[in-house]
Amino acid sequence: QQQVKQSPQSLIVQKGGISIINCAYENTAFDYFPWYQQFPGKGPALLIAIRPDVSEKKEGRFTISFNKSAKQFSLHIMDSQPGDSATYFCAASFTGGGNKLTFGTGTQLKVEL
Amino acid sequence: DGGITQSPKYLFRKEGQNVTLSCEQNLNHDAMYWYRQDPGQGLRLIYYSQIVNDFQKGDIAEGYSVSREKKESFPLTVTSAQKNPTAFYLCASSDGGRKQFFGPGTRLTVL
Repeated sequence: QQQVKQSPQSLIVQKGGISIINCAYENTAFDYFPWYQQFPGKGPALLIAIRPDVSEKKEGRFTISFNKSAKQFSLHIMDSQPGDSATYFCAASFTGGGNKLTFGTGTQLKVEL
Repeated sequence: DGGITQSPKYLFRKEGQNVTLSCEQNLNHDAMYWYRQDPGQGLRLIYYSQIVNDFQKGDIAEGYSVSREKKESFPLTVTSAQKNPTAFYLCASSDGGRKQFFGPGTRLTVL
């Protein structure tokens, strides 16, 4: 049972544009929602994370928007750059249970010049 | 230089062989995790350990085994019982909080 659904599977954005990746979750016990960035052949790197007590978190060009009632959260990349081209994963975990992360299936982002 | 190291970077296995993937961290983290990554499927949890000498199965533990004899080490053995072991294997660690930090990965290929 996939508990975190991510879309789109792939995304092409022009340089300077806004990249938007969406995730939806099912388990209402989830209370931590991170986004990871992964370049080919490398391990994922934590980008930004949010907890459900806030609706938005911004770090530089990266923003997470969170909608608790809809059980959805999204990553916005402002002023997208070619260096942002990577695969992005959303994830979720809940308190206890080893803080295990449940991942979405990933979005391949390509930023074109 | 603190971090997580995984070795080898590439590993080739013949069918019927057991192989062990290494994961070492010098971050003094208590918790360690093993994930498997397949194209289009995201990362799936194989095993995790919250403390030395203790570990729990994740979502896809069948055909895998682990040990946690030292805080800094969490090796993963892919046994011959794992029917489709070709994948990218990622180790992660955490200080007990929510943030998990990943190593560079090992790509295992079955010949």
